[in-house]
Amino acid sequence: GAGVSQSPRYKVAKRGQDVALRCDPISGHVSLFWYQQALGQGPEFLTYFQNEAQLDKSGLPSDRFFAERPEGSVSTLKIQRTQQEDSAVYLCASSFRGRNTEAFFGQGTRLTVV
Amino acid sequence: AQSVAQPEDQVNVAEGNPLTVKCTYSVSGNPYLFWYVQYPNRGLQFLLKYITGDNLVKGSYGFEAEFNKSQTSFHLKKPSALVSDSALYFCAVRDRQTGANNLFFGTGTRLTVIP
Repeated sequence: GAGVSQSPRYKVAKRGQDVALRCDPISGHVSLFWYQQALGQGPEFLTYFQNEAQLDKSGLPSDRFFAERPEGSVSTLKIQRTQQEDSAVYLCASSFRGRNTEAFFGQGTRLTVV
Repeated sequence: AQSVAQPEDQVNVAEGNPLTVKCTYSVSGNPYLFWYVQYPNRGLQFLLKYITGDNLVKGSYGFEAEFNKSQTSFHLKKPSALVSDSALYFCAVRDRQTGANNLFFGTGTRLTVIP
């Protein structure tokens, strides 16, 4: 596609509910990142994939957060037993391989836990 | 450890005047530096990056940034501001030497261009 696509754009979940957020990266991009952006803050790193391999998950805040990219393209971020502090915008980004390459971001999924 | 500081939460500038959005960074090695802009209800859009070479880099929409190694800064500039430049701007860094591939972002600076 032309850009990184994320769905849904908005998600309201009741506390304790499980949610799944989808990211469709730019075709051919090897690297895929998930970030969490709280209101009024900069994006904070959650996890990184190179193709289907999850090479870094150091930013995942708890074991309730899980991400996968089984075929090296589409990725899903899953949050189990959501809590109010999980409310944030979840951003997905993709890029070509290489540490000097810029990442291209999707519009994000705004998660509100009530 | 990597970090980015954007000392100004808010910058106001009159249309047609030059603008500067400040950024300083901290990395253990040498940096790759990036600027992104975020419009309401939109994702982050890439503006420009510093990789190596000329310290002055030019990017999209007439923006430029100057890498200053001694001051560990990478300030974003534009000679003449437009009302449409009003948005949230983020500086980000990636260390060349460490194993981390992710970007570290600042907290953002909201730019308002006054007509």
